[in-house]
Amino acid sequence: GDSVTQMEGPVTLSEEAFLTINCTYTATGYPSLFWYVQYPGEGLQLLLKATKADDKGSNKGFEATYRKETTSFHLEKGSVQVSDSAVYFCALTPTNFGNEKLTFGTGTRLTIIP
Amino acid sequence: DTEVTQTPKHLVMGMTNKKSLKCEQHMGHRAMYWYKQKAKKPPELMFVYSYEKLSINESVPSRFSPECPNSSLLNLHLHALQPEDSALYLCASSQGWGSNYGYTFGSGTRLTVV
Repeated sequence: GDSVTQMEGPVTLSEEAFLTINCTYTATGYPSLFWYVQYPGEGLQLLLKATKADDKGSNKGFEATYRKETTSFHLEKGSVQVSDSAVYFCALTPTNFGNEKLTFGTGTRLTIIP
Repeated sequence: DTEVTQTPKHLVMGMTNKKSLKCEQHMGHRAMYWYKQKAKKPPELMFVYSYEKLSINESVPSRFSPECPNSSLLNLHLHALQPEDSALYLCASSQGWGSNYGYTFGSGTRLTVV
């Protein structure tokens, strides 16, 4: 079945550091890929998405590129802030009709130190 | 209106109580979802409603009973819960079932069963 694998956390960085959170997936066809963010005590927010190979999703300084050749969708940010501290989930929906369940990775907890 | 609103935000209930969680959206989304999230875990899908009809029940115990009175509302009726049912319950919606536009999540109801 479809699956998403994220790098294990927690990740702790200093403010203004470069961030990469790795995400790889297993799915048939051409899934849509997402990054969701969950701030403490809140629900999930859609951070960015990509629906086809080589698409780049971007939002709030975060970026991720859909790489079909490596089945990856790594999240990057050039300079993190304390306010970016949260849990980040990589997720996918498959394209095969009738089974469009959103599948999440295990999440990566990010803490930014001033 | 681009939000999913969940009430209540917090709920404490005894194992013999009956309570309901409510979810509302006015984005015209035709698919609505209930997820359960335990601490430090990704959300787990419970139910999917598509065009007000139950499409997916992920083998959820009958003590959880979903209801979709109309296209904007989703309820989750709770009865005879167990302490292990304590979790964050998230409602989400999307333009369609498995939409590659992504899901909009509410901020959740934090449920404690005593």
